[in-house]
Amino acid sequence: SQTIHQWPATLVQPVGSPLSLECTVEGTSNPNLYWYRQAAGRGLQLLFYSVGIGQISSEVPQNLSASRPQDRQFILSSKKLLLSDSGFYLCAWTRDTNYGYTFGSGTRLTVV
Amino acid sequence: EDQVTQSPEALRLQEGESSSLNCSYTVSGLRGLFWYRQDPGKGPEFLFTLYSAGEEKEKERLKATLTKKESFLHITAPKPEDSATYLCAVLCAMEYGNKLVFGAGTILRVKS
Repeated sequence: SQTIHQWPATLVQPVGSPLSLECTVEGTSNPNLYWYRQAAGRGLQLLFYSVGIGQISSEVPQNLSASRPQDRQFILSSKKLLLSDSGFYLCAWTRDTNYGYTFGSGTRLTVV
Repeated sequence: EDQVTQSPEALRLQEGESSSLNCSYTVSGLRGLFWYRQDPGKGPEFLFTLYSAGEEKEKERLKATLTKKESFLHITAPKPEDSATYLCAVLCAMEYGNKLVFGAGTILRVKS
């Protein structure tokens, strides 16, 4: 069976510090991968998606970047965090983009 | 622009008091509508997928229905363990494949 792992679960970082969140999927190959952010009281906002190694698309301009160094690994990064980067970050995957996604357990990021 | 609106924002029910959550959408071409359940501090958990108007899906005390412009999540005789945020999302086309566009969610609290 397929599983998705996301870490860390919680993170408190000072403004201006770098960020690296990691997501890996097991039990499948060539998954479609997604990073979402969820702000309090708001819906999930799609940040990045990838349909293959080396292919990253951004949905909104921001202080963040994404990379896919391996087939089943998706990384969300920032060189310098802003207060506005605080939120709940979710990684998700699907085998076929005509179907729904399976989400990871999320990372609660607080920038102080 | 593809949009998803959920109502009410929050709903308080007594145990056994049935009710419905609404999800209205405006999309250029509906490819699917999804319902997720999200517990505090966790990633969304898949509940249902609906693809065409008139379709219905059931799972325990939950039933999802779909029309051309909205979907309802009916909760029959809810229990305290049904308390969660319920998210609605529509599958929309993007440059590579499809993406899920989410509503802000309905926070459900069921009191015993």
